[in-house]
Amino acid sequence: AQSVTQLDSQVPVFEEAPVELRCNYSSSVSVYLFWYVQYPNQGLQLLLKYLSGSTLVKGINGFEAEFNKSQTSFHLRKPSVHISDTAEYFCAVSDRVRKLIFGTGTRLQVFP
Amino acid sequence: NAGVTQTPKFRILKIGQSMTLQCAQDMNHNYMYWYRQDPGMGLKLIYYSVGAGITDKGEVPNGYNVSRSTTEDFPLRLELAAPSQTSVYFCASSYSPPETQYFGPGTRLLVL
Repeated sequence: AQSVTQLDSQVPVFEEAPVELRCNYSSSVSVYLFWYVQYPNQGLQLLLKYLSGSTLVKGINGFEAEFNKSQTSFHLRKPSVHISDTAEYFCAVSDRVRKLIFGTGTRLQVFP
Repeated sequence: NAGVTQTPKFRILKIGQSMTLQCAQDMNHNYMYWYRQDPGMGLKLIYYSVGAGITDKGEVPNGYNVSRSTTEDFPLRLELAAPSQTSVYFCASSYSPPETQYFGPGTRLLVL
């Protein structure tokens, strides 16, 4: 069965500092990987996704993630965060059978 | 183009009451999903549909029912509300997995 582990429930960081949000997955089949962001009192929106091809994926708002098959990881990074990046971030995995399995989320808190 | 819309935004129910959460999308997506989000638990799939007239259970279907009579609408029914159903409910849609799922703004439900 597929599963997703987000290793940090909360990540505090100062504005303009770099950040990495960690995500590990388990699956015995080919996977598709996603990062979604949820701003306070809103629904989720897609940040980026890996379906195939280049293992370095660039998304919206300056975020990027790298698919590492040997380490079964899909960590999310941003070189310089802004106050507006404060939100909850969810990693998710899907196979071709259509279901998304979400991690428990990482709350990114950016301080001035 | 409104995307995915959900009504109501908030609702308080008494134990044993019933209600229907409405979800509609105007993107002509075949796939629609219902999730619930509980603090620290991420999102759990309740039910999903691959097209009009076709629905299937997700991870946590007990206490819920769905129907899909049109491509646009995917209502979620709670027959006998229980405190354990206090949660935030999100509807989502996608054209075809593993493509992006688009989420509605959510319905906050409190069962007392």
